[in-house]
Order: sequence, then structure tokens, then C-alpha cells
Amino acid sequence: NAGVTQTPKFRILKIGQSMTLQCAQDMNHNYMYWYRQDPGMGLKLIYYSVGAGITDKGEVPNGYNVSRSTTEDFPLRLELAAPSQTSVYFCASSYSMAGGGYGYTFGSGTRLTVV
Amino acid sequence: AQKVTQAQTEISVVEKEDVTLDCVYETRDTTYYLFWYKQPPSGELVFLIRRNSFDEQNEISGRYSWNFQKSTSSFNFTITASQVVDSAVYFCALSEGNQAGTALIFGKGTTLSVSS
Repeated sequence: NAGVTQTPKFRILKIGQSMTLQCAQDMNHNYMYWYRQDPGMGLKLIYYSVGAGITDKGEVPNGYNVSRSTTEDFPLRLELAAPSQTSVYFCASSYSMAGGGYGYTFGSGTRLTVV
Repeated sequence: AQKVTQAQTEISVVEKEDVTLDCVYETRDTTYYLFWYKQPPSGELVFLIRRNSFDEQNEISGRYSWNFQKSTSSFNFTITASQVVDSAVYFCALSEGNQAGTALIFGKGTTLSVSS
């Protein structure tokens, strides 16, 4: 199992450009998440999905879009990149645990700089 | 509303000192789960521990120990005899209940610097 794979690891975008951050998991987890991490601010939820075809907004969804056409993939799209979107992005998936609740598996992150 | 507070932004210690990282949480759910993650300079998130709301037993794993107190809504993390390799950002996180897709809510993190 590769776990949660994020690509690319690093990217520099110009203001107004668009791009898609890729996230794939091979663990057959139904639930997937996108977080962004800004310095000193912890991780904030952008979007999440409870299964193929179902997505919902998190705390900071503005400027982003997601889709979930398959269980494995959960791409995050930036349509018009802005400097405020400079951040480290983490994708995660979760699984039910014995005894209740969920465990979470994180990708290694994508460092995005918008200039 | 759910919330996780890590009041200590940065802590600096010298090797072999003990250090405690504080975590205070807020939730209205009676069933919830608390986590600690380590983020070393390389940037990945390393899972350390998960504790459910019904288990207030303290946990020890090598030099790491966790103190969960529901009465004060705290889940503190102690590193005994700290080492330079412990230098990292540490995050406390909360997930509520058992509903599908429940997300982790993170604190802002505490940056620990251990010098030799």
C-alpha cells in the first residue's frame, strides 16, 4: 500500500494561474479531506468527501473546488491563484477503527507558492 | 462549537530537560477522540497517539506520556529527557462523534526546540 499520495510536492504559480493538486489513496477509504497549513495557524479544513460523488465545504473553501469521481482520487482545484493561497496543502483519508471513531492517514503535503 | 487550543506557541529547552505541551479542547459531544501529531522539519505529519473520551487512563510510550483529564478538558503531552530529535511542531487535534466523514480539528501547534 502506498497510502495517501500527493502530487506535486512543490509548485510555484503566478497570480491568476490555475492548477490541480492531486491526491490518491489505495486503501479503499471512503472519507477524504483537504487541509491547508499556514505558519502558526495549524491545519484548516478546506473540503471533505464522504464518498464518490459527495463533497462538502470545510472551514476555508473559498477559492477552491473539489471533485470525487472515484473512491481513490480527490483532486483539489485552484482556479485563479492568489498570494493568499500560498500554503502547504495536506490530503488525508480516514477509516473506521475498532472501538469507534476514525483513524486518519495523511499525505506528505504539497508546498504551493503563488507569486 | 468544537475547538482546540494550544496556548504555547514556542518552547525552547535544553537536552535532557522534561517538557510538557498543553492542549485544551472544547466540544459538546460526549463521544470524541483526541490526537497528537508531530511535524518534524521535513514537513510530514507523524501520528503519535489517539485517545477516546471514555478512556482517561494516562498513557506512556517510551519517553512520551499523555495526561487526559476530562474535568479540565485537557490532553497534555510530556516528553521526558528531551532530545534534539524531538525538535518539531506538535499538533493536538480533536474529532467528534462517530458520524461519517468527521474531520480532525487542529490546534495551532506548539514549536518545540531542543538544543544540545
